[in-house]
Amino acid sequence: NAGVTQTPKFQVLKTGQSMTLQCAQDMNHNSMYWYRQDPGMGLRLIYYSASEGTTDKGEVPNGYNVSRLNKREFSLRLESAAPSQTSVYFCASRGQGNTEAFFGQGTRLTVV
Amino acid sequence: GQQVMQIPQYQHVQEGEDFTTYCNSSTTLSNIQWYKQRPGGHPVFLIQLVKSGEVKKQKRLTFQFGEAKKNSSLHITATQTTDVGTYFCAGPGAGGSQGNLIFGKGTKLSVKP
Repeated sequence: NAGVTQTPKFQVLKTGQSMTLQCAQDMNHNSMYWYRQDPGMGLRLIYYSASEGTTDKGEVPNGYNVSRLNKREFSLRLESAAPSQTSVYFCASRGQGNTEAFFGQGTRLTVV
Repeated sequence: GQQVMQIPQYQHVQEGEDFTTYCNSSTTLSNIQWYKQRPGGHPVFLIQLVKSGEVKKQKRLTFQFGEAKKNSSLHITATQTTDVGTYFCAGPGAGGSQGNLIFGKGTKLSVKP
């Protein structure tokens, strides 16, 4: 099983450019999440999707949009990238109930 | 909003010394999870605690959930270089089990051989 797959692994953007981070899971999980990780800040939730067709804001949603395309896929879009969005982004998924979260390998994004 | 606070932020130990990280929530938690992230890696699930006062062990790691279900700790006995990484606690946020998962800021452990 691949688990949670994120693409791309690395990306450099210029300020103002847009891009979409892709995430797919093959574990038939209902819930999917996007986190960003910055030094000393831990993992901060950007958006999550408790089930197909629903999305909710997390702690730091400004500047981002998400799409739960189907049960497998949950994408994160930066419409106009800013240097403050330089970070490592992790996608995660969880099954039904209070189960463990599985994380993707992460996307290291630099906005210059 | 709900917060999960974790201390210390950093811990440097000599190999063989013990290590403890503490997690405190502003609200009662139905459960708490612990994750480990190796340098350059992604968080990996270690364990989940559900019951008040629960204690679980994994080899040299001991996890505790407080009686009030608002705090938790992870204790590593006789650290090894393989223990290096950042340890996170996480609790359920809004929406219960299908809602968000709130992480503490983590404790970064370094071990000097």
